[in-house]
Amino acid sequence: RKEVEQDPGPFNVPEGATVAFNCTYSNSASQSFFWYRQDCRKEPKLLMSVYSSGNEDGRFTAQLNRASQYISLLIRDSKLSDSATYLCVVIGPRGSTLGRLYFGRGTQLTVWP
Amino acid sequence: DGGITQSPKYLFRKEGQNVTLSCEQNLNHDAMYWYRQDPGQGLRLIYYSQIVNDFQKGDIAEGYSVSREKKESFPLTVTSAQKNPTAFYLCASSTRLENYEQYFGPGTRLTVT
Repeated sequence: RKEVEQDPGPFNVPEGATVAFNCTYSNSASQSFFWYRQDCRKEPKLLMSVYSSGNEDGRFTAQLNRASQYISLLIRDSKLSDSATYLCVVIGPRGSTLGRLYFGRGTQLTVWP
Repeated sequence: DGGITQSPKYLFRKEGQNVTLSCEQNLNHDAMYWYRQDPGQGLRLIYYSQIVNDFQKGDIAEGYSVSREKKESFPLTVTSAQKNPTAFYLCASSTRLENYEQYFGPGTRLTVT
């Protein structure tokens, strides 16, 4: 079983739409969670961390459900510039894998005018 | 400006040749990582180093080698033993603090013919 599984996508939405991405992780002892954004042929860039209580950054909201081992990212009022691949990332638990990031395959989002 | 640099951006080599990819960071991060990304696939960990003069194999270390003689530098050598070396190679770094969010360099696209 993969460490991190993401919605396969792709998602094609109109400007202004609300879109949600989901991600599950396999190791219940995982410590930290992130969403990264990757533009075509570029490096991944940190979008936001995911906290247990949920967190919001402008149009973006991230949620963590430890009981279900589930992470989500909600984008409201989509912009053309949101078109990218969104990567769900989980940090391994304490121990030999401390510090290792496990990446999902990514979900591609295209926002059309 | 603090950041991670990778050079060159594009690299072309003939099959059977070893090639070394450069990665330098001035963020004073202890940990550094090398990933490989193939089209339509997620990032896969090649090697990582939590501290100078120490490094660990990731999921796909065969055919690769690294060194960590300085905190700022973590070069990756793609040897002739790597069967499918053509890929996008990404270097990342992070602090050793608890959160471990990683920051990526711009990547090197290696093409071996």
